[in-house]
Amino acid sequence: DTGVSQDPRHKITKRGQNVTFRCDPISEHNRLYWYRQTLGQGPEFLTYFQNEAQLEKSRLLSDRFSAERPKGSFSTLEIQRTEQGDSAMYLCASSLGSGERGELFFGEGSRLTVL
Amino acid sequence: AQRVTQPEKLLSVFKGAPVELKCNYSYSGSPELFWYVQYSRQRLQLLLRHISRESIKGFTADLNKGETSFHLKKPFAQEEDSAMYYCALVVGWGKFQFGAGTQVVVTP
Repeated sequence: DTGVSQDPRHKITKRGQNVTFRCDPISEHNRLYWYRQTLGQGPEFLTYFQNEAQLEKSRLLSDRFSAERPKGSFSTLEIQRTEQGDSAMYLCASSLGSGERGELFFGEGSRLTVL
Repeated sequence: AQRVTQPEKLLSVFKGAPVELKCNYSYSGSPELFWYVQYSRQRLQLLLRHISRESIKGFTADLNKGETSFHLKKPFAQEEDSAMYYCALVVGWGKFQFGAGTQVVVTP
């Protein structure tokens, strides 16, 4: 197992287009998280799944954003009608645990540039 | 309001000198705090967590509830410590509030 993997690593798109990112967590991890990181800031929480259930969504996640984890394994994050403000690094992380103390294992991120 | 503040964006130290990265938090509950590190061209990874009270790569961090701080310290900085460091607070199930990060540069 090589850890959390994300695809694509880089995406350049024009404003108004839809984009989708995929995250494959560490196989035995039941929790999966999406974070967003902009230049000069730390990661900001977007949403998280326990198995296939999406348990929490941040206010940052507008209606244009949707995340799924259909079989409790990989997850996708889709952004519809992209805006320049969506340009950021989208980080996926996974963890194993039933409590809050689980260590987050991060992927390398998917960098989105909206022109 | 829940907040994590890392006041220094950049910390430049000489090899062998002590280094201290500041982290202050605001949280109404019982805090759980972590330090994450990102080395150049690597992914973000856990450095240490306050509940385990361990020393990792020579780094330690003590939770001071009175001062609401969780500063990261190392007595003798090494060149391989050059990285971006993030303080993180657990603010809910699966939710971490990260600070803006401190870039540490260790010069020989």
